[in-house]
Amino acid sequence: DGGITQSPKYLFRKEGQNVTLSCEQNLNHDAMYWYRQDPGQGLRLIYYSQIVNDFQKGDIAEGYSVSREKKESFPLTVTSAQKNPTAFYLCASNARATGELFFGEGSRLTVL
Amino acid sequence: DAKTTQPNSMESNEEEPVHLPCNHSTISGTDYIHWYRQLPSQGPEYVIHGLTSNVNNRMASLAIAEDRKSSTLILHRATLRDAAVYYCILRTYGGATNKLIFGTGTLLAVQP
Repeated sequence: DGGITQSPKYLFRKEGQNVTLSCEQNLNHDAMYWYRQDPGQGLRLIYYSQIVNDFQKGDIAEGYSVSREKKESFPLTVTSAQKNPTAFYLCASNARATGELFFGEGSRLTVL
Repeated sequence: DAKTTQPNSMESNEEEPVHLPCNHSTISGTDYIHWYRQLPSQGPEYVIHGLTSNVNNRMASLAIAEDRKSSTLILHRATLRDAAVYYCILRTYGGATNKLIFGTGTLLAVQP
């Protein structure tokens, strides 16, 4: 079945370590997104990419990095520069023509 | 980016209709109104979207005001499985950017 796969679902890391969250989609979507969600809050946009080899900063890009080398993949690296990385991270994609956004199941990162 | 305003929370009884309001007074002519909902610890799922006319699908109905400055998501018969956070967002098609901005949404509680 087509969809978006995020991994890992849960991740624990020590402070100061970089962490990479995986996001893969087989929906043939051009655009992909990374959002961060804190408890009781809405989603905040970290980075988005509308096409391979291109991406733009969202509202809270500091301390994060991404790449888009393949259409199917949009990994997010949480660097040691991110001051408060513990959060629920959501990846999404959509076909530009239709607009409906498809989300993965999320990755919950806890920094100890 | 155009913003939306929603009540923080609402309550409903099972089997009764629910009307979830959203204000978007700064909406532009090219903005579509999208609704998503999110269950705890899951990624949001698409519910419905529209531009000017009212829309119906198997999940819900979307009523859009004539001036497009507000809209209402209608769940015709609430069930316990409809308890979730509902997000109303605006989506601009065809522009240089393709990002979607989520607010804090409305937490819907459904009482048996």
